[in-house]
Amino acid sequence: QSALTQPASVSGSPGQSITISCTGTSSDVGGYNYVSWYQQHPGKAPKLMIYDVSNRPSGVSNRFSGSKSGNTASLTISGLQAEDEADYYCSSYTSSTTRVFGGGTKLTVL
Amino acid sequence: EVQLVESGGGLVQPGGSLRLSCAASGFTFSDYAMSWVRQPPGKGLEWVSVVSSSGDYTGYADSVKGRFTISRDSSKNTLYLQMNSLRAEDTAVYYCTKVASYYIDYWGQGTLVTVSS
Repeated sequence: QSALTQPASVSGSPGQSITISCTGTSSDVGGYNYVSWYQQHPGKAPKLMIYDVSNRPSGVSNRFSGSKSGNTASLTISGLQAEDEADYYCSSYTSSTTRVFGGGTKLTVL
Repeated sequence: EVQLVESGGGLVQPGGSLRLSCAASGFTFSDYAMSWVRQPPGKGLEWVSVVSSSGDYTGYADSVKGRFTISRDSSKNTLYLQMNSLRAEDTAVYYCTKVASYYIDYWGQGTLVTVSS
C-alpha cells in the first residue's frame, strides 16, 4: 500500500493553468478508472473536486479537470484564482480493494 | 444536507484504546459504504478503513490491520472505529467519510487523536 506519487509543490500566477500529476502502478491508478482528487484548505476538511478520473461533482468549477494516461493521473486547474491556493490530494482504488492517497501537492498562487 | 459529526478523540497513552464515533445524517445511512481517513499533524491523508453498506465487508490499511476495527450501527446511523494498541504514529486527525461508489463524496470535520505518555 505505497502512497501515490505527487509533486510536493506547484505554483502559478492568476489566470494561468497548472497541472498536478499523480503516479501509481498497474495495481491502482493504471488498473482502474477510479481516481479522485481532493482540495484541502488549511484547517479544513478535504473537498471532492474530481471523481472517476474526469468527472466533476455538482458545484465544482469547470476550471478543474482530470485525466489519466497509463499509471499517471493528472489534475489541471485553468484560469488560476487566489482561492485555488490549497493542498491537493489524489486517491485511487486498489487491487486489494483498499484505497490509497497521494502524498499531497501544495499549490501556491503567486 | 449531509452531515458527519465525529466524536471520541482525545489524549491516550501508548498501548491504550479509544473508540471513535461518527453520527451521520442527511442521507440514507444504510445505503452507503463508510470509511475513516486520518491525517497526522502537518502531513498528508492516509486511508485507514472501509465498511460496506451492509457491514458485511471491511477493509484496513496494513498500518492498522489487527489493531483497529471498523463497524456501523444502521439503527443509530453511526459509524465506529475501535482503536487498540495505539502507537505514537497513530496520532492524527481522524475523518469520517461517506463513500459513493469508489470515491469519498463527503467528509466530517475530524476528531484529533493524540497518543502520548
